[in-house]
Amino acid sequence: DIQMTQSPSSLSASVGDRVTITCQASQDISNYLNWYQQKPGKAPKLLIYDASNLETGVPSRFSGSGSGTDFTFTISSLQPEDIATYYCQQYDNLPRVTFGQGTRLEIK
Amino acid sequence: EVQLVESGGGLVQPGRSLRLSCAASGFTFDDYAMHWVRQAPGKGLEWVSGISWNSGSIGYADSVKGRFTISRDNAKNSLYLQMNSLRAEDTALYYCAKGKTERAAAGQGRFDPWGQGTLVTVSS
Repeated sequence: DIQMTQSPSSLSASVGDRVTITCQASQDISNYLNWYQQKPGKAPKLLIYDASNLETGVPSRFSGSGSGTDFTFTISSLQPEDIATYYCQQYDNLPRVTFGQGTRLEIK
Repeated sequence: EVQLVESGGGLVQPGRSLRLSCAASGFTFDDYAMHWVRQAPGKGLEWVSGISWNSGSIGYADSVKGRFTISRDNAKNSLYLQMNSLRAEDTALYYCAKGKTERAAAGQGRFDPWGQGTLVTVSS
């Protein structure tokens, strides 16, 4: 199975900061990678699909990049409402899907 | 508006069975793959199983293969997860999620939206 390694596992940043989370796949997954946001007590929400495409209705401060094995998720200017846990998810190895272990983002 | 409503969770003893349901509305159910994803208390997301739009493609995580069975009834706009031989480590909030790509294989593409989940607790 393809393993997804996210880093860091937790992150503390100030409002207005640029925040970056990385996700590394154990093998080449092309651009078959999505990013989700999960706020406390809520279901996950899709933010970025196919590595770099912004889901409709998602603020433009969120972005994604990468291909192959290395991927990056960025919040260009952190807002208080961005406090959540973020997960990457690969879908190269159908029908199996795997998620990264998550990155918990807090406000400093 | 797309809605996914899970049901069927509860407290069950180890070794027993439980059947989860996900009622879908607001979209053409039989055009989309569907998935179950779980989250143990305080832990991350774990994909459990997925089924393609026509049930022709099905997949399971290693942790549940041979014990869980996913199915769908397109006439009833419903997704199911039959869980047998339950273990303590199956304790989790189980989410139903819709695949976003039409006529996709199980697992293909992104998941959106997700239901609010149904809690399964396996304990004696």
